[in-house]
Amino acid sequence: EPEVTQTPSHQVTQMGQEVILRCVPISNHLYFYWYRQILGQKVEFLVSFYNNEISEKSEIFDDQFSVERPDGSNFTLKIRSTKLEDSAMYFCASDTGAYGYTFGSGTRLTVV
Amino acid sequence: KQEVTQIPAALSVPEGENLVLNCSFTDSAIYNLQWFRQDPGKGLTSLLLIQSSQREQTSGRLNASLDKSSGRSTLYIAASQPGDSATYLCAVREVGGSNYKLTFGKGTLLTVNP
Repeated sequence: EPEVTQTPSHQVTQMGQEVILRCVPISNHLYFYWYRQILGQKVEFLVSFYNNEISEKSEIFDDQFSVERPDGSNFTLKIRSTKLEDSAMYFCASDTGAYGYTFGSGTRLTVV
Repeated sequence: KQEVTQIPAALSVPEGENLVLNCSFTDSAIYNLQWFRQDPGKGLTSLLLIQSSQREQTSGRLNASLDKSSGRSTLYIAASQPGDSATYLCAVREVGGSNYKLTFGKGTLLTVNP
């Protein structure tokens, strides 16, 4: 069964550093997403990406965040200057728009 | 703004019991509803997807129903097993435009005791 692959599984970074989280969505999917889950809280939407551009972003997704699909297969989330409150599990997902999401296994980001 | 609520927050049952997890949502204009399973510190595994035009979906021991007009869904697990222990998340996708985002509930933490 096709999978969404995320790397790394766990990343520890110093406050103020830039991080890039990587995802390989399912190849024939059209819509790509990033979600995050702070420990003990709900999974919350960050951004959706379609046709090589952002289609929607949440209020969490401020200027410190950016997404890219640099080469037609990878989908990245960059956080420019990490804060302690960015510590969370970040999930990448993709779908066709009709049949439901497939999520990756997540990247646990710890900002120290 | 769509709000999704899951009741109960936690549930502990002996092995073999049948159980029901509840999900409610405030805006009935949904495209579909998806149930996920999350093991501790892990990703989200899709269990069942119900389109807005459907009333229920079944997969093995799992059955999910949808009553869109009342804003409710239930996940029924038959003959529970210790391996079913996990957090179960409900998520709705709203109708409209280019917005295909999901809104999640906080989940129900299920413990099945041997």
